[in-house]
Amino acid sequence: KAGVTQTPRYLIKTRGQQVTLSCSPISGHRSVSWYQQTPGQGLQFLFEYFSETQRNKGNFPGRFSGRQFSNSRSEMNVSTLELGDSALYLCASSPDGGSRVGEQFFGPGTRLTVL
Amino acid sequence: QQQVKQSPQSLIVQKGGISIINCAYENTAFDYFPWYQQFPGKGPALLIAIRPDVSEKKEGRFTISFNKSAKQFSLHIMDSQPGDSATYFCAATFSGGYQKVTFGTGTKLQVIP
Repeated sequence: KAGVTQTPRYLIKTRGQQVTLSCSPISGHRSVSWYQQTPGQGLQFLFEYFSETQRNKGNFPGRFSGRQFSNSRSEMNVSTLELGDSALYLCASSPDGGSRVGEQFFGPGTRLTVL
Repeated sequence: QQQVKQSPQSLIVQKGGISIINCAYENTAFDYFPWYQQFPGKGPALLIAIRPDVSEKKEGRFTISFNKSAKQFSLHIMDSQPGDSATYFCAATFSGGYQKVTFGTGTKLQVIP
């Protein structure tokens, strides 16, 4: 099976712009989670989608939003970018449920730099 | 109550030595504790996981020790190798809930020859 893919891998934007990141989960996985990783804050949970519905949301401002499509692919959008949004954005998919709950498979991430 | 505290922040171990990373949690509802390993430029990868009904789980050179009463768990890497140099994250979640995983802050391990 192919792993989790994320596009683009690198992005450079300026303050005030908006950005859309894409994630394709492992085939058959219906749960997709997004995380922000920074050196100072570690891995911070953004939100989780399952069957096109947001099931969980972290403590991020409304500028951060996401969605999931019927094929489980997911996108996250950040509007009105701020310098502090510079981070590695990671997507993780999961088979969900059963004994493997909590087992997440991460993509390589999208490195976002805001200038 | 959702926090997972991880220590140390960084660790230098000689090749062949034992690397020990500790984590503590507060929420007793957590019932699944995975460890992730992350190499530079890569996303985290699941290394080993444990449930609180066992006190220890071993997979190769990696062992998780779990102390339910103290709400602590630790990762031991035996015979540490330079290839183990990476950042390690402990995590906790609820098997009855959704995929909301709470991560520790990470430990950067460097194994020197």
